[in-house]
Amino acid sequence: EAQVTQNPRYLITVTGKKLTVTCSQNMNHEYMSWYRQDPGLGLRQIYYSMNVEVTDKGDVPEGYKVSRKEKRNFPLILESPSPNQTSLYFCASSLRTSGSYEQYFGPGTRLTVT
Amino acid sequence: GQQVMQIPQYQHVQEGEDFTTYCNSSTTLSNIQWYKQRPGGHPVFLIQLVKSGEVKKQKRLTFQFGEAKKNSSLHITATQTTDVGTYFCFSGGYNKLIFGAGTRLAVHP
Repeated sequence: EAQVTQNPRYLITVTGKKLTVTCSQNMNHEYMSWYRQDPGLGLRQIYYSMNVEVTDKGDVPEGYKVSRKEKRNFPLILESPSPNQTSLYFCASSLRTSGSYEQYFGPGTRLTVT
Repeated sequence: GQQVMQIPQYQHVQEGEDFTTYCNSSTTLSNIQWYKQRPGGHPVFLIQLVKSGEVKKQKRLTFQFGEAKKNSSLHITATQTTDVGTYFCFSGGYNKLIFGAGTRLAVHP
């Protein structure tokens, strides 16, 4: 089944404790992206990647890192989480060829930083 | 980022009423996609429009792309409680995406 998986789905952590949210897709998509969703602010793009070893900042990259060593994986790293990073995070992937830009979203990771 | 204005932010309708959400851009869009996010869920792709003036239908949903490719709309005829959720428009070329903040639809039986 074509899907984007994220782990963990829920995470409660403390300020400053490094964490990684994993994202994996099984559709051989080139494009992957991370978003955060906050009440009243909608979706905001954190980072995106157009292919392996190619990443770029979205609108809210501060406090986050990403890597794209393999096509299928696009982990989101919070080196020193802070309470303002408490949010719902979505990973998405897209083929982005042949004029199709349909994104497949993962189920989301709800992160609470205390 | 959010360079597409999506209105309204929130709409509350009685079941059976129609609903429309709009996305407006100051620049020409290469394409537009619409997504639906149910409460507690993740955004799910509905449709993509590419051509100027394009109109597509999915049952009670009608999607339009403006002639100038600067705006788009999603119209739901005779809403049902299953239509509840947030509707987003996205647009993008090969790299950074632009998208609307979403319209949250509440349907009361």
